[in-house]
Amino acid sequence: GAGVSQSPSNKVTEKGKDVELRCDPISGHTALYWYRQSLGQGLEFLIYFQGNSAPDKSGLPSDRFSAERTGGSVSTLTIQRTQQEDSAVYLCASSPPAVEKLFFGSGTQLSVL
Amino acid sequence: QKEVEQNSGPLSVPEGAIASLNCTYSDRGSQSFFWYRQYSGKSPELIMFIYSNGDKEDGRFTAQLNKASQYVSLLIRDSQPSDSATYLCAVKGGAAGNKLTFGGGTRVLVKP
Repeated sequence: GAGVSQSPSNKVTEKGKDVELRCDPISGHTALYWYRQSLGQGLEFLIYFQGNSAPDKSGLPSDRFSAERTGGSVSTLTIQRTQQEDSAVYLCASSPPAVEKLFFGSGTQLSVL
Repeated sequence: QKEVEQNSGPLSVPEGAIASLNCTYSDRGSQSFFWYRQYSGKSPELIMFIYSNGDKEDGRFTAQLNKASQYVSLLIRDSQPSDSATYLCAVKGGAAGNKLTFGGGTRVLVKP
């Protein structure tokens, strides 16, 4: 079956441009997470969606970052006015109801020049 | 203080030996504890979870939880070169609710 799909796999952008990263979770998974991982570092929590509940946005580093999840499925992470420090791998993960295991996508490598 | 702390390593272990990884967490109300393995250039994958104090064994892996001391550990017995990876500790519950918080990871190198 299909896993968590993220696109694009690589994105190179110029400082100050906006970018959109897409995550298509596994069908039926109600929870969806976004994490950021800089080289050699752990996973930094960004945002968490659970069903129809209000998302937990406590990890978003600034108001340049936003995310939405449409119809309880696909999610888009938007970074406005990108900065060089935004360069990282952005990982999306989903999990089914009542199961604590996260299934990760392959990530989007974002490079801000 | 970070919410979840791990020694970054690298932890160098001879093949066949036991690798011991530790993780401490700050929120005493945390309820669920996980170990993920991440190979270089790949995404994390779950290898163990533990909810209750004590030991939990799965094949060559044993997770140990001590809520009073707020630490969770992972033992890898008969370490193999294929175990070389970064091991990420993750914690859920308490003040963080359903958010899964990861530590920085411990890099393990198993030398033949």
